[in-house]
Amino acid sequence: NAGVTQTPKFRVLKTGQSMTLLCAQDMNHEYMYWYRQDPGMGLRLIHYSVGEGTTAKGEVPDGYNVSRLKKQNFLLGLESAAPSQTSVYFCASSYSMRLALYNEQFFGPGTRLTVL
Amino acid sequence: AQKITQTQPGMFVQEKEAVTLDCTYDTSDQSYGLFWYKQPSSGEMIFLIYQGSYDEQNATEGRYSLNFQKARKSANLVISASQLGDSAMYFCAMSDTMNTGNQFYFGTGTSLTVIP
Repeated sequence: NAGVTQTPKFRVLKTGQSMTLLCAQDMNHEYMYWYRQDPGMGLRLIHYSVGEGTTAKGEVPDGYNVSRLKKQNFLLGLESAAPSQTSVYFCASSYSMRLALYNEQFFGPGTRLTVL
Repeated sequence: AQKITQTQPGMFVQEKEAVTLDCTYDTSDQSYGLFWYKQPSSGEMIFLIYQGSYDEQNATEGRYSLNFQKARKSANLVISASQLGDSAMYFCAMSDTMNTGNQFYFGTGTSLTVIP
């Protein structure tokens, strides 16, 4: 039971290049999320998904696209990377929620991305 | 508007002493959840404790307790008997039903250093 995994762990891109970050979870969770973490700003939600085939924008969606073709995978794409996208990216997942139930988000180990 | 506010960028505590990390939140929802996560220097996000808005008792998990004051909208984390391994960033987060995706709103974090 691996939990939430992210690929790759590190990546360096040049401005204008594209890449895809892969998140996979084996807990049969409905909800998945992509966050970015920047110094002094905590974690900010980029996009999220409430189920296979669905995606929605979070707080900072510009410059990113996502897809959830399979329940266990959530992909984050950067079509044309910019230095402002240098950050640590975290994927998370959780059970479908009603707040009457405890509903922790489980996080992946993070991907450190540098855009030159 | 900031949903989660952590006003202590950095805190120091002597080993074996207790420390309180502050968190205030903003929501008009009656049903919400409050979470604390720990992020050590290795980068992973570790869930510590959860408090539901309808829970009458303060949550406790081992050396961690959550001082929940609903009227003041505060959810402070108390760590008792601090250990060197408690040195890390600590994030307060909230989820409410004002969104469809169980989105977490994170604070900017508090860096805790435990002094031997």
